[in-house]
Amino acid sequence: VQLVESGGGLVQPGRSLRLSCTASGFTFGDYAMSWFRQAPGKGLEWVGVIRVKSSGGTTESAASVKGRFTISRDDSESVAYLQMNSLQTEDTAVYYCSRSGVGPTHFDYWGQGTLVTVSS
Amino acid sequence: DIQMTQSPSSLSASVGDRVTITCRASQGISNSLMWFQQQPGKAPKSLIYAASGLQSGVPSKFSGSGSGTDFTLTISGLQPEDFATYYCLQYKSFPWTFGQGTKVEIK
Repeated sequence: VQLVESGGGLVQPGRSLRLSCTASGFTFGDYAMSWFRQAPGKGLEWVGVIRVKSSGGTTESAASVKGRFTISRDDSESVAYLQMNSLQTEDTAVYYCSRSGVGPTHFDYWGQGTLVTVSS
Repeated sequence: DIQMTQSPSSLSASVGDRVTITCRASQGISNSLMWFQQQPGKAPKSLIYAASGLQSGVPSKFSGSGSGTDFTLTISGLQPEDFATYYCLQYKSFPWTFGQGTKVEIK
């Protein structure tokens, strides 16, 4: 099982960025996928989750990103996306993805993280 | 939102010590709680799921207990690799929320 985030970088306030989480080693479509973030020197924060297609593929997200961030998935490519719009300086963080299963497969694998820096 | 109050925020311990970290939920979450370990610059690592289930590959010196609102993570026989930051996470209801973290340092 491997999860690899990509797409991070330096972006100006108000701009957009899309992160990808590419999965391998398991049946991607059987798992919900979650995004988390960690601002420099701070604790972990849950960002959002996308359910499996059989559960409607619906999403839930934290209040701090609702209306600005959108999670989607492409099961044919085994990729989850985090579309981030209207970025603010407080969105600066390392972003992680993790698979959300049941019991021991809930958040058992994480990506290495990708750094997003929002600055002018 | 469910608030997770984790304590202590930091502690100093010696190799071989037994340490306990607690998390208290602002409302009942049954056993929908996980514990993670995070080393500096690394992704979190799952230790305990469903409050007391030991994640595969995690040594038995880690144990979790509790249900409802009060939970504990116990580490027996601290080793140098165990000095890290530990977080609890509730996944009973959205938004999923973490405790503030406990940094375990070498005395």
